[in-house]
Amino acid sequence: NAGVMQNPRHLVRRRGQEARLRCSPMKGHSHVYWYRQLPEEGLKFMVYLQKENIIDESGMPKERFSAEFPKEGPSILRIQQVVRGDSAAYFCASSPIEDSPLHFGNGTRLTVT
Amino acid sequence: QQPVQSPQAVILREGEDAVINCSSSKALYSVHWYRQKHGEAPVFLMILLKGGEQKGHEKISASFNEKKQQSSLYLTASQLSYSGTYFCGTAANNAGNMLTFGGGTRLMVKP
Repeated sequence: NAGVMQNPRHLVRRRGQEARLRCSPMKGHSHVYWYRQLPEEGLKFMVYLQKENIIDESGMPKERFSAEFPKEGPSILRIQQVVRGDSAAYFCASSPIEDSPLHFGNGTRLTVT
Repeated sequence: QQPVQSPQAVILREGEDAVINCSSSKALYSVHWYRQKHGEAPVFLMILLKGGEQKGHEKISASFNEKKQQSSLYLTASQLSYSGTYFCGTAANNAGNMLTFGGGTRLMVKP
C-alpha cells in the first residue's frame, strides 16, 4: 500500500513565478491536509480538503495561495507570484477519517530565488 | 496559539529515559505526537483523546491531563533510533486533523 506521494520533492522557482505542488493521498483516504514548515520550526496548518471540497482554509494566506482536491487526480497546492518568504517545506498528509493518525508525505521543498 | 513544548532539546545516552512536555493555553480535545528525522516526513506516534487514558507503544507512552491542558511523552530505555525532533499537535475540537503543532523538542541519543 503506497504511502502519501508528493511531487516534486524539490522545486526551485524565481520570484514572481508559479509553484504547483501535488499530493496523492494514501489509498482509501479522503481527508487531505497541507502543512508548511519553515527551517527549524514546527508545522503550520494551511488547508483541509475532502474530495471536491475545501473544508477549512483558515491557515492559508488569502492572496496568491489556493488548493484543490478534484474528484479525479491529486490534490494541488498552488502558489502564484512566489516571493522569498514562501521558501519552505510543504507537507501533505492524509487520513481515512477525522481523529485518526495523519500519514505524511515526504514533502516538497520549495526554494524561491 | 501554538502549544509550548519543553525541553527544547535533550541529549541522552542509550538506555536513558526522557520526558517531553506539551502545554496549551486552550482547552484541548486531542493531543497527537509525531517524530520527525532530519529531511524526512513526520511519523505518527500516538493520539490521546479527551476522556481517554494513558497510551503506550513499546517503550514510548504518553499521558493527557485535560484539566491542565498538558500532555507528556515518556521515552524509556532510549535507543539510537529515537533520535529526532518530537512534535505535539493539538486540536481544540473533533473537527478533523487541523492540528496546531508545538515548536518541537530535539532529542539526540548517543551510544
